Order: sequence, then C-alpha cells, then structure tokens
Amino acid sequence: DAKTTQPNSMESNEEEPVHLPCNHSTISGTDYIHWYRQLPSQGPEYVIHGLTSNVNNRMASLAIAEDRKSSTLILHRATLRDAAVYYCILGAGNAGNMLTFGGGTRLMVKP
Amino acid sequence: SAVISQKPSRDICQRGTSLTIQCQVDSQVTMMFWYRQQPGQSLTLIATANQGSEATYESGFVIDKFPISRPNLTFSTLTVSNMSPEDSSIYLCSVDVGGSGKLFFGSGTQLSVL
Repeated sequence: DAKTTQPNSMESNEEEPVHLPCNHSTISGTDYIHWYRQLPSQGPEYVIHGLTSNVNNRMASLAIAEDRKSSTLILHRATLRDAAVYYCILGAGNAGNMLTFGGGTRLMVKP
Repeated sequence: SAVISQKPSRDICQRGTSLTIQCQVDSQVTMMFWYRQQPGQSLTLIATANQGSEATYESGFVIDKFPISRPNLTFSTLTVSNMSPEDSSIYLCSVDVGGSGKLFFGSGTQLSVL
C-alpha cells in the first residue's frame, strides 16, 4: 500500500485558517486521497476526498499538488470543535473500501 | 449517509473469556469493515466482511481469534475470543455505502481485559 506522511501535531488559533499537509510520494495513478478526522472518544468521520482536482465541501477544501505527491487539507476557519486527529489516507478507487490508516496529525485549536 | 449502532459501547472482561460485538446499519451495505484501535494508536484493519462469504482477514489477524458473522446486509458481529489484556482496545465497525467513496464508522466498543 502506498503510504502517507503527516506531521504528528499542529497548533492553530481559533477562527484562523489551518493547512494540514500530507506527503504521498508513492501514490499510484488510481489512488484517491481521503481525509478523515477523529474527535476524542468518537469513531473517525469522513472529511473529504479527491483524485486530481481540488475539492471543496462544507467542511473543508482539499488542495492536491499537480504531481499528486502531496496534498493539503484546508480548514477555512478553525473552531474549538475542529480539534481532532486528522488522517490522510490513500485508497484504491472511489469505492471507499478498506482504508489503511496512518498516524495522522493531532490538531490543537487554541481559543 | 449511514447510521451505525455498535453494542456494547464498552465492556470490562476477564481474561480467557470471549466478547461478541454487534454492528447494525440503517441501510443495506455490501462491505463492512472491522478495525481495532489500541490505546493511543491509529486504526488497524482486522477484516472485511461481505454478506454471503467468509470474511477476509488482514495479516496478523486470524479467524479463530476474531470470528466474524455477516448474516445479512445490515448486520455483522465480531467476536474477540480467549481474551488477554493485549486485546484491550477500541473496536470499530465501518461501512461503505453504495460505493460513495466514504466510510462511515460506528462509535466503537471500548474493551478492557483484566
């Protein structure tokens, strides 16, 4: 499985944008880039996913590098509720089938 | 979307016993996945459960230790057998709804083995 590399932790101030980076230099042409987050004491929650083009939804934006070897999850305005572990995962195809979770980035949001 | 109910939400068990965890989904799904999350760690996939066929286990997980049932398209169980303290973890089920590209997770079962 192609692997991802994320910083262990990041800090942000409330109401400021947050850019969470992810490196995936061995990504294959069919791998989608998925982002999930896990709030304390909860199961992971889908955030966003994409293949080549940048993606936006109500939760976040996903910016994918032209060579697809890296991507950035953008939270436009962090709230305290966004404090969570964010996982960047490569998945084969758009079927959302089995995903291999890496270490993730623990995001701390300061008031 | 999908609503996933997992039972029990937590349990404390004695070593050598077994615990069966139930996962109920509010819609029919083809694939269900069971994950384990050890304390302070990320998630590790245990197995994939498809209705009508035997579960597919990941490396390091065996059917004798983690038997899985998938009797229909909305329900699955995972049994943790002959438990030891090393089995203390959160166990989560997840589903892919209609190939949407999204996984939905239950809230997990927190298992402590004494």
